[in-house]
Amino acid sequence: QSVLTQPPSASGTPGQRVTISCSGSSSNIGGNTVSWYQQLPGTAPKLLIHSNSQRPSGDPDRFSGSKSGTSASLAISGLQSEDEADYYCATWDDSLNGWVFGGGTKLTVL
Amino acid sequence: QLQLQESGPGLVKPSETLSLTCTVSGGSITSSYYWGWIRQPPGKGLEWIGNTYYSGSAYHNPSLKSRVTISADTSRNQFSLKLTSVTAADTAVYYCARSRQNSYYYYIDVWGKGTTVTVSS
Repeated sequence: QSVLTQPPSASGTPGQRVTISCSGSSSNIGGNTVSWYQQLPGTAPKLLIHSNSQRPSGDPDRFSGSKSGTSASLAISGLQSEDEADYYCATWDDSLNGWVFGGGTKLTVL
Repeated sequence: QLQLQESGPGLVKPSETLSLTCTVSGGSITSSYYWGWIRQPPGKGLEWIGNTYYSGSAYHNPSLKSRVTISADTSRNQFSLKLTSVTAADTAVYYCARSRQNSYYYYIDVWGKGTTVTVSS
């Protein structure tokens, strides 16, 4: 059971906009910034969004993040087939004194 | 560009100690980041194991804490993981990673490619 809660799956058609949610508590999302990771099949995770909504330089602006209270979300616009991957949210938990991850959301591009 | 490379045995016997090393290239382990380990059991999600600052400050997953040692070797620009008393549940892909964690910035920005460790007799 993951500390952060994500839907196990999401889907969309090419060109569509999809959002993935991440729910936590005051000890993690509520008090610290959230990051998002993309894991393509058979590869290591890659940082997609940090500090709630910041993209690493050079990454496409189709990916955006937001946070409100104890929840965060990742939005992918202009969905492409290469976006098919697992997506994870993560943050620091002040009670556990460590990193916590969401269970991951498998995105399917129909 | 900073890169991380895991190394170590791919097969460990039950009850023995899993030992992995991560070599840092293209940057120094003495920079202002934490260096640690994350694992992913087959078909499952990511689990944070722990991390360390080069000067010795370390954090561990409470569920693994008593079995985990993470240390940094600044002379070799490497850091390592030791996980004792392993069972089949410790079978996973192990990633080494660099993270920033302070009062505002929390992110893991560099990952190794991962190494598969199987626990089996």
